[in-house]
Amino acid sequence: QITLKESGPTLVTPTQALTLTCTFSGFSLSTSGMGVGWIRQPPGKALEWLALIYWDDDKRYSPSLESRLTITADTPQNQVVLTLTNMDPVDTATYYCARGYCTSSNCYGFDFWGQGTLVTVSS
Amino acid sequence: EIVLTQSPGTLSLSPGERATLSCRASQSVSSSYLTWYQQKPGQAPRLLIYGASSRATGIPDRFSGSGSGTDFTLTISRLEPEDFAVYYCQRYGTSSFGQGTRLEIK
Repeated sequence: QITLKESGPTLVTPTQALTLTCTFSGFSLSTSGMGVGWIRQPPGKALEWLALIYWDDDKRYSPSLESRLTITADTPQNQVVLTLTNMDPVDTATYYCARGYCTSSNCYGFDFWGQGTLVTVSS
Repeated sequence: EIVLTQSPGTLSLSPGERATLSCRASQSVSSSYLTWYQQKPGQAPRLLIYGASSRATGIPDRFSGSGSGTDFTLTISRLEPEDFAVYYCQRYGTSSFGQGTRLEIK
């Protein structure tokens, strides 16, 4: 059974950095083709892809947020950590982590998602 | 950066009708990476379609995806009450989601 769960602060002060942890089970990030991504959704708005880390430690970031984002993995601990610096009230959103998986013949996209965690940026 | 534009923004239909949702890319996208998701209020998104046309596990066959290059389509052949939701497309791996299509009951 594949599960993912996001954890971290629910309230962040403007200019602070946000650190979120995705703890997963049922798969290994060391498996070829595997990835874990972060996606956020401001209240009432659309999904926004933030970052993706692959099994080989390749990392991809949203161009609009790349200067503020860092994604890392602790593969033995089955965790992926996202850091977003210089938080602003517009960064208030539900933050999701999700598993991505590609084989040599198919790319399945984000096939399993966490429940999401609401992060509010306010002083 | 590839930008995905979905249309219409809102689609009002009745149960039993056919829904056609569009996703247009600002540049050519490999079909292998084009995905569609469904999201209901208060829930995480659910993968519907991967590889532009393959249904994810457990997705009913009334959902189908098609397209190539810059134009992709999600079709729901006969709408069930549980299909009314918001739908997003994404080019997996390097780009964000489209802005979504809200499918509402007429």
